[in-house]
Amino acid sequence: DQQVKQNSPSLSVQEGRISILNCDYTNSMFDYFLWYKKYPAEGPTFLISISSIKDKNEDGRFTVFLNKSAKHLSLHIVPSQPGDSAVYFCAASTIIIAGGTSYGKLTFGQGTILTVHP
Amino acid sequence: NAGVTQTPKFRVLKTGQSMTLLCAQDMNHEYMYWYRQDPGMGLRLIHYSVGEGTTAKGEVPDGYNVSRLKKQNFLLGLESAAPSQTSVYFCASSLKGPYEQYFGPGTRLTVT
Repeated sequence: DQQVKQNSPSLSVQEGRISILNCDYTNSMFDYFLWYKKYPAEGPTFLISISSIKDKNEDGRFTVFLNKSAKHLSLHIVPSQPGDSAVYFCAASTIIIAGGTSYGKLTFGQGTILTVHP
Repeated sequence: NAGVTQTPKFRVLKTGQSMTLLCAQDMNHEYMYWYRQDPGMGLRLIHYSVGEGTTAKGEVPDGYNVSRLKKQNFLLGLESAAPSQTSVYFCASSLKGPYEQYFGPGTRLTVT
């Protein structure tokens, strides 16, 4: 049961244009959403996040939008640059209570390969 | 600051062999995690730790064991490797909670 889905395996964009990466989720208990970027042979690096009480968060060229009613989030990159070419993962967090303690858990999507052409 | 480091970077095992993957972080983070990444599957949580001496199971714990004897180190063990454990393994850490996790560079493991 894939609770976080990135339905587009790949996206190709021209330099200077907007890149829009999409992510859908099914669990309404997710309270925090994150985007990670991954280059080949490296670990993922944190990019931007948004709390479930907000609908938009902006950081430079990166903006994340959250539509809770549709259980959908998206990452906009404007303008796109060739150095943005990477795999992008969305992730969602929820708090789990078990054995008398609480802990948080991240669930990742499958990833979208973004290619920005010069 | 090295961040999160993983040892080794690559390894080839025969079915039935055992090995330990080492993760070290120098950021004094409480939380540490082991994930595996398989094509089309994203990252799946194997085990995690919320502090020194504590570990817990994630989504796909079968066939793996972990230990966190020191705050800065998190070990992942495979007692009897199987071809299904061929994957790229990532370690991560976070200050508190699962939010902004810092990842290591990964270990590519092949089991033949």
